[in-house]
Amino acid sequence: DSGVTQTPKHLITATGQRVTLRCSPRSGDLSVYWYQQSLDQGLQFLIQYYNGEERAKGNILERFSAQQFPDLHSELNLSSLELGDSALYFCASSGIAGGRSTDTQYFGPGTRLTVL
Amino acid sequence: GENVEQHPSTLSVQEGDSAVIKCTYSDSASNYFPWYKQELGKRPQLIIDIRSNVGEKKDQRIAVTLNKTAKHFSLHITETQPEDSAVYFCAASIGSNKIIFGKGTRLHILP
Repeated sequence: DSGVTQTPKHLITATGQRVTLRCSPRSGDLSVYWYQQSLDQGLQFLIQYYNGEERAKGNILERFSAQQFPDLHSELNLSSLELGDSALYFCASSGIAGGRSTDTQYFGPGTRLTVL
Repeated sequence: GENVEQHPSTLSVQEGDSAVIKCTYSDSASNYFPWYKQELGKRPQLIIDIRSNVGEKKDQRIAVTLNKTAKHFSLHITETQPEDSAVYFCAASIGSNKIIFGKGTRLHILP
């Protein structure tokens, strides 16, 4: 168990709909990252937040948005869903290990999104 | 922007033999290089990492080497076992900012 939690575990929805994925980082971690992993594909970096502010942006579509709240949990919002958005969405966090800053990212269990 | 190339995409080795996966990166400012193992349907898990001030790091059967001049790094797994079968991802980043992953190597350990 990495200490990063994600909900829900599975999500099935229809095209055109909007969903929200939730991530709680490891205790003390300030950075949260979101990744998309399509079937048999690599990890596509979407976006990073650090202590509530956007730090870096990857290949995130305009239909997608994210935010990090004061309690450091993060949400990824996916709207106007298309069939091609079906994927595993991972959240990862980094920041603190044994009281020291670390670059290592620890991944949550992922949310499997299926768009029908 | 940063790009990470990973080879091979698929690798089959006999149980007990060694496996080597190679990655190259484009941004010379990259200073952190983690390797992740992902079993089917599960989360990527860090197995070893190396920073730019070190040329080699070993942890039991796993080792990583880094050549900063050539901008490439490799994962070596010795005495492979069935449980080593998984997808392995290399990555490169500048500190904790925006880690870029390679496309992955699917490792099959043959009995």
